[in-house]
Amino acid sequence: EVLLVESGGGLVQPGGSLRLSCVGSGYSISNYWMFWVRQAPGKRLEWVATIKQDGSEKYYVDSVKGRFIVSRDNARNSLYLQMDSLRVEDTARYYCLSALTFWGRGALVTVSS
Amino acid sequence: EIVVTQTPLSLSVTPGQPASISCRSSQSLLHSDGHIYLYWYLQKPGQPPQLLIYEASNRFSGVPDRFSGSGSGTDFTLKISRVEAEDVGVYHCMQNVQFTSFGQGTRLEIK
Repeated sequence: EVLLVESGGGLVQPGGSLRLSCVGSGYSISNYWMFWVRQAPGKRLEWVATIKQDGSEKYYVDSVKGRFIVSRDNARNSLYLQMDSLRVEDTARYYCLSALTFWGRGALVTVSS
Repeated sequence: EIVVTQTPLSLSVTPGQPASISCRSSQSLLHSDGHIYLYWYLQKPGQPPQLLIYEASNRFSGVPDRFSGSGSGTDFTLKISRVEAEDVGVYHCMQNVQFTSFGQGTRLEIK
């Protein structure tokens, strides 16, 4: 069974930082493009970031450029999202997505004072 | 940025009846490699999305054959031939030809 499990979410003040992790099991992420997608309450799904299999290409939605960094460690079968300078509008459940096919259950990020 | 628009935003269907959801993109989703990068997902209550259809018309493994996808260019449709109670949730279309973007989602409920 393919499992992707996110961790690292939580409550943080505006301007703070969090690092999300996504670990795969029953499945090697090394061969696939990986994505972070978020969903704010009552809003549509929003793509956040994409990373190529070897990490050589990374893409971000404009609203997070310069604040978020996506990375991966294929040896650890893991995907990461470093989120800095967090804003209230970053509040959402963050999902990792592999090959546009498999989704994790998400990690909840709440940015509030 | 490619804008993806779904209609309707909600629909209520009697079990056994068909349902159809439209997805339109602001630009063609046909890539130069010949693939159409349009995907359909179902997000059941309290769950993450799950893949139904990839590249516009290919049913993912394990997806019932009552689900079908069609379309080309900028206009796409997801059809459910006979709705069942387990089909309730929010249906999302997504494009991946130029970065990634999602439609607003279509909530399906059972009458």
